[in-house]
Amino acid sequence: DAKTTQPPSMDCAEGRAANLPCNHSTISGNEYVYWYRQIHSQGPQYIIHGLKNNETNEMASLIITEDRKSSTLILPHATLRDTAVYYCIAREINAGNMLTFGGGTRLMVKP
Amino acid sequence: KAGVTQTPRYLIKTRGQQVTLSCSPISGHRSVSWYQQTPGQGLQFLFEYFSETQRNKGNFPGRFSGRQFSNSRSEMNVSTLELGDSALYLCASSWGGGEYEQYFGPGTRLTVT
Repeated sequence: DAKTTQPPSMDCAEGRAANLPCNHSTISGNEYVYWYRQIHSQGPQYIIHGLKNNETNEMASLIITEDRKSSTLILPHATLRDTAVYYCIAREINAGNMLTFGGGTRLMVKP
Repeated sequence: KAGVTQTPRYLIKTRGQQVTLSCSPISGHRSVSWYQQTPGQGLQFLFEYFSETQRNKGNFPGRFSGRQFSNSRSEMNVSTLELGDSALYLCASSWGGGEYEQYFGPGTRLTVT
């Protein structure tokens, strides 16, 4: 799986959009970009994934650049409950379910 | 629909003992993966089982083993426990291949004294 790079920490004001970047410059054509988050001491929670098109669900939007070398996870209206560590993972479609977690971005939503 | 369940939630063992952790996946999911999370190493993949067969394996010693039953429930076993095995052990289930998302359980917190 391609290596991903994320900033170690970010702050966001409550009610504002949180934009979390991820760099995956070595991503291959058959690797999806996945986002998970982990709230303190809980199991990671799936957020969203995409291959090359932008994706949106009830939790977030995923914007993938045209060259697929980077992506941005957008939480449109961050709340205090969105405070968590966010992980961006590149995973090959046919590689089973092994997820390689990096350090992630610790997002702190402040009132 | 019930989520992934793990038992027990907390466990204290003594160095040298062995331990078995259990994971029940979401109904219909055939893939179960196990992860270890420690403050120093972060989240690390242990192994994955799909239809009772180990499909992927991480870089852990042979003391760590697992199995999956015909109903997709999975167990992992750690023998000859070491202090460094103290961690949060997480189980995740999925429908099948890499194009599907995984759903994690709450984890089992293992403390080795």
